[in-house]
Amino acid sequence: GNSVTQMEGPVTLSEEAFLTINCTYTATGYPSLFWYVQYPGEGLQLLLKATKADDKGSNKGFEATYRKETTSFHLEKGSVQVSDSAVYFCALTLTDSWGKLQFGAGTQVVVTP
Amino acid sequence: DAGVTQSPTHLIKTRGQQVTLRCSPKSGHDTVSWYQQALGQEPQFIFQYYEEEERQRGNFPDRFSGHQFPNYSSELNVNALLLGDSALYLCASSLQGGVNYGYTFGSGTRLTVV
Repeated sequence: GNSVTQMEGPVTLSEEAFLTINCTYTATGYPSLFWYVQYPGEGLQLLLKATKADDKGSNKGFEATYRKETTSFHLEKGSVQVSDSAVYFCALTLTDSWGKLQFGAGTQVVVTP
Repeated sequence: DAGVTQSPTHLIKTRGQQVTLRCSPKSGHDTVSWYQQALGQEPQFIFQYYEEEERQRGNFPDRFSGHQFPNYSSELNVNALLLGDSALYLCASSLQGGVNYGYTFGSGTRLTVV
């Protein structure tokens, strides 16, 4: 089956530190990959996406590269802010799945001043 | 441009009752998916509607049903509510299944079953 594995949280960082959240996947087909962010009490926001190998998604200083050889889609940000505190979800969907999103367990990130 | 709109935002129901949640997709989107997110967990796919038909369903019992209207809006119905149905219900809209376009999520409806 298809699955997404994320590093466990919480990840606690100081402001301006470098953030990496690991995400690996297992898929029977050729997935599209996404990172979503959820702020407390809110829905999910699409942070970035990649639809084929070696694609790099980027948004708001966050980046992730679709690595087919390592089945990974790690999220990175060079300098985090307190406002980046949230839960981050890695997700995949397959072309023949009618867009069903399969999420990882989520990683809580806490950024302290 | 309005995003995905869900109503109500919060709801309290008694075990055994029935509930209807509503979703208006983002302008231009034609596909609506529903997810259940228990507290502290990842969202779980319930089902997806496109062209007023259920296209795919997750591992949820028949107590969960839905509908999509000609204007692309959608309803999620849950019958015979259980305590375990307490969760945040998220609606996501997309264009033509959303595989390559991504999904826009609403803020959700927080359902509490007592």
